[in-house]
Amino acid sequence: NAGVTQTPKFQVLKTGQSMTLQCAQDMNHEYMSWYRQDPGMGLRLIHYSVGAGITDQGEVPNGYNVSRSTTEDFPLRLLSAAPSQTSVYFCASSLFRTGVNTEAFFGQGTRLTVV
Amino acid sequence: AQSVAQPEDQVNVAEGNPLTVKCTYSVSGNPYLFWYVQYPNRGLQFLLKYITGDNLVKGSYGFEAEFNKSQTSFHLKKPSALVSDSALYFCAVRDVPTGGGNKLTFGTGTQLKVEL
Repeated sequence: NAGVTQTPKFQVLKTGQSMTLQCAQDMNHEYMSWYRQDPGMGLRLIHYSVGAGITDQGEVPNGYNVSRSTTEDFPLRLLSAAPSQTSVYFCASSLFRTGVNTEAFFGQGTRLTVV
Repeated sequence: AQSVAQPEDQVNVAEGNPLTVKCTYSVSGNPYLFWYVQYPNRGLQFLLKYITGDNLVKGSYGFEAEFNKSQTSFHLKKPSALVSDSALYFCAVRDVPTGGGNKLTFGTGTQLKVEL
């Protein structure tokens, strides 16, 4: 059981370039989300999805797009990379149940540097 | 809006001694609370979660957490620390909504260092 898989693990971009961070889960989880981790700031929610075809913005969505065409995949797109987007990005998934406390499972992270 | 505070950036403890990593939260309703651990260059691993009615929650690797509603706290504890416990620990909270929703809010993290 692979869990949550993120690719690539490392990436260096030039300012203005675009790229897609891939995230896939094999646990049939409805809920998927993207966080960025910056020193001293914890994890901040970028975008999330409660199911295929449904996405919404989190705390820091500017400069990022997402789509959810299947239950398994939730790619994060950087439209025009900026140095402020240098960060470690984590994808997470969880069951989506009203009234039930369900923990999130995280991928290994993508370390992105924008120069 | 929900929020989490981890007041200590770093906690140092000697191996074999008890450890506590502090967490306080703020939510509008009832909380779902979690602790995660992150080892260097790794993703977050789930440690434990609060379940309504159980004020002392037991989790992985001998960790436990004490929920205190009056103090809005969910401190992580372990009776005897190991060097291998050294890692970054995150507390997280989710409001218990009426319609579902899994948005987690994380604290800024506490670096635990266990020394021989």
